[in-house]
Amino acid sequence: EVQLVESGGGLVQPGGSLRISCAASGFTFSSHGMGWVRQAPGKGLEWVSAISGSGDSTYYADSVKGRFTISRDISKNTLYLQMNSLRAEDTAVYFCAKVMVGVWYFDNWGQGTLVTVSS
Amino acid sequence: EIVLTQSPATLSLSPGERATLSCRASQSVGRYLAWYQQKPGQAPRLLIYDASNRATDIPARFSGSGSGTDFTLTISSLEPEDFAVYYCQQRSNWPITFGQGTRLEI
Repeated sequence: EVQLVESGGGLVQPGGSLRISCAASGFTFSSHGMGWVRQAPGKGLEWVSAISGSGDSTYYADSVKGRFTISRDISKNTLYLQMNSLRAEDTAVYFCAKVMVGVWYFDNWGQGTLVTVSS
Repeated sequence: EIVLTQSPATLSLSPGERATLSCRASQSVGRYLAWYQQKPGQAPRLLIYDASNRATDIPARFSGSGSGTDFTLTISSLEPEDFAVYYCQQRSNWPITFGQGTRLEI
């Protein structure tokens, strides 16, 4: 069974940094792209970032480009999102999601971790 | 970026009725469109990918159609558990984008 468990969310001040993680199990981690999708309170889904199975290719939404960095540790089956220069508008639940083989759709999701940016 | 516009914003129906949800793209995405369902407090669930393919374990009452810029998600006969928010997502061009969602309510 595929499992994705996010951690590392919390309260951070504007301009601060935070790294969130996603522990993956139940599938061959290196064979699948992975992504982060966020949802601000009461709002819709916003794609944030994605990374290929090998980690060679990364993609970012314009809203986070230059501030966020996605990475993966295949030895630990873990996905990361390093978030710097955080803003109030980054406040959201961040979902980790597994990409279907060969196509950029998300077929398994974690339960999310809440990131709150506030002073 | 490709903008996805979903309509209606809210759809009010009763169990047993047929639901038709629309997603329109600002430019052609071919058939590279998916549909997700999200219930309160839960993560989204993939329903349909590449416009018309049901994902694993998705009931046959869910179907998708369309190509180019106009897509439809149809639920043939609503079950109580189908009342949720539905999102479309395109993978034709980076960045990946989602529609703003359609709330299906009783």
